Amino acid sequence: EAGVTQFPSHSVIEKGQTVTLRCDPISGHDNLYWYRRVMGKEIKFLLHFVKESKQDESGMPNNRFLAERTGGTYSTLKVQPAELEDSGVYFCASSQLSGGSTDTQYFGPGTRLTVL
Amino acid sequence: AQSVTQPDIHITVSEGASLELRCNYSYGATPYLFWYVQSPGQGLQLLLKYFSGDTLVQGIKGFEAEFKRSQSSFNLRKPSVHWSDAAEYFCAVGVGNQFYFGTGTSLTVIP
Repeated sequence: EAGVTQFPSHSVIEKGQTVTLRCDPISGHDNLYWYRRVMGKEIKFLLHFVKESKQDESGMPNNRFLAERTGGTYSTLKVQPAELEDSGVYFCASSQLSGGSTDTQYFGPGTRLTVL
Repeated sequence: AQSVTQPDIHITVSEGASLELRCNYSYGATPYLFWYVQSPGQGLQLLLKYFSGDTLVQGIKGFEAEFKRSQSSFNLRKPSVHWSDAAEYFCAVGVGNQFYFGTGTSLTVIP
C-alpha cells in the first residue's frame, strides 16, 4: 500500500511568486491534514479536510494560503503571493477513521519550500 | 493553550548506549500523547501513542515511553541505540482533531 506522497519534494521560488503543493493521501483515507514546520520551530497544524470539506482551517496563517481537495482525493495548497516567512517544510498527513486525535495520522515526507 | 516542550534540540549517543528523550506538555486534561520519528527523506512515522491505561507504552523499533501525570511528561526511551535510530524525534499532544508538536530532538548516533 502506497503511503502519503507529496510533490514537489523541494521548491525554490522568489517572493511574490505563486507555488502549489500537492498531497496524495493513502487511498481510502477521508481525513487529510496540512502542517507546516518553520525552521527550528515546531510542526504546526494548518487545516483538516474530511473528504472534500474543510473541517478546521484555524491554523491557516492568512488569506495568501488556499487549500483545496477536489473530489475528496488529493489536496493542493497554494501560496499566492509567497512571502519570505512562508519558507519551511509543509507536511501532509491522512487518517482513516473519525478524524479525532486518537486516529493514527500517516505523514508524507514533506515539501521543503524556500522563498527568496 | 496547549504546548509541547522538547528541551533537547540535539542529542549525541554512542551506539549501544541507552537513550532518553524528554517531552513535557501543558494541557488541562489528560491528553493523547504521541512520539513520531522522521528519518532523512522520510515522512513522520508513529513510534508509539498513549491514550489511557498502563502508563508505560511499548512502541516499534524497541522504543518505549512513560506517561507521568505528576510531571506532565512523556519521555521516550530505548535501552540500546542502533545507528539506524539517528533521526529527528517529535513529541505530540492530540487535542480534538489537532496535533500540537514539540520542536523536535535530533539524534546523532556515533559508532
